[in-house]
This record gives sequence, C-alpha cells and structure tokens, in this order.
Amino acid sequence: SAVISQKPSRDICQRGTSLTIQCQVDSQVTMMFWYRQQPGQSLTLIATANQGSEATYESGFVIDKFPISRPNLTFSTLTVSNMSPEDSSIYLCSIFGGSGTEAFFGQGTRLTVV
Amino acid sequence: LAKTTQPISMDSYEGQEVNITCSHNNIATNDYITWYQQFPSQGPRFIIQGYKTKVTNEVASLFIPADRKSSTLSLPRVSLSDTAVYYCLVGVFKAAGNKLTFGGGTRVLVKP
Repeated sequence: SAVISQKPSRDICQRGTSLTIQCQVDSQVTMMFWYRQQPGQSLTLIATANQGSEATYESGFVIDKFPISRPNLTFSTLTVSNMSPEDSSIYLCSIFGGSGTEAFFGQGTRLTVV
Repeated sequence: LAKTTQPISMDSYEGQEVNITCSHNNIATNDYITWYQQFPSQGPRFIIQGYKTKVTNEVASLFIPADRKSSTLSLPRVSLSDTAVYYCLVGVFKAAGNKLTFGGGTRVLVKP
C-alpha cells in the first residue's frame, strides 16, 4: 500500500480567504484524485489531477474555486478559494491502488470556515 | 460504476460477527467488488476486494455468490474499534473513467 500525507490535517479559516492543501505520495503516480466529504455525508469527487496536464473537474466543481496543481508525479495541491461556511468539509486526496476499484486515501484535511 | 445498495446502519456487540450485505444487480462482467472502512476524521481505508466466490484476509471475509448480484462483508468478532462507516463499491477503475463513486455506506456501531 502507498503512504499518502496531507497537510494541514485541519484548519479554521475566515470566510473570503483561501487555503491550499498539500498531498504527498511516497511513490510516483500518474493520477491523483481530490474528494470532498461534507459533514455526515459520503465522498464526492472534485477533480482528477494528472501530471503535465490540466486537472479534470467533476460537474459542480470549477477551476476558479478549486485550482489544482500537479508539479510532479508525487505531489499535488488543492486550493479552496474565496471560502464560505458551505466549504466546511473534509478534503481528501487519493490514488489508484492498482486493480479493480482499490484506492488509497490520505487522512484528510478538516476545514472549518467561519 | 454499478449502483450499490447497502443498509444505512447496523448495531452489534463486541465479540459478535457482523455481516453487511451489498446489492449490485447491474454488476458488469469485469467489475470488482471492493469494501472500504472509514473512521471518523480519517480517510477511507481499503479493506478487501473480490471478483467471485470468497476472499479472506486478516481483517475480513468477502462472500460473493455465483450470480455476483450481491456480496457480503463479514467482520469476525468485532470490537469497539470496528465502529465505522463501511462502503461497498463495484466497478473497474478504467471502465469507470478512473473514478470512484461512493454511496451512502453502512454505519456500524459496536456496543460494549
């Protein structure tokens, strides 16, 4: 299994500000995935980050709100921009595990917007 | 990914076996069945994956009938630390456009 490290693990932010979440993987991977998990809800895919190309966003998520960087095969960042209380969620990065629907997740970043 | 249906919640007691059944009537030929466990304030953790029959590892067993339209995750002799949400996913990464779609999961509460 892979080791995925996310920073920060949690943060409390003022509305209108932005937060950048970092995701570091201990192996080189082509695709990295960013998810959001709102309180008491299941996971929703935000976007897929491919090294060397623009991220692919899911319906309801836009680049201006959630810009993503993927500078190399082991690292990615997700920025939550111009935050509002509705952005309070856990944000998770993930990688493909190798077969079927096996995947590995970081421990998540718990974001609270006040 | 194939649509899955699983119970919203289940209660159990320490030392008991917990069985969670997931229905996936429209599973495709190449689809795998994968279960994840998520503790509060943590990311989901891969538990087990199978294609047919029975798969067992150090954490759980996965029973898959011949028609593959359902599967049962079995957690032997649960402890309080097994309290978590368990998600059933069915599919194959590449065929699903390299996406995972999580359903609502089953919230398992283990009582003393």
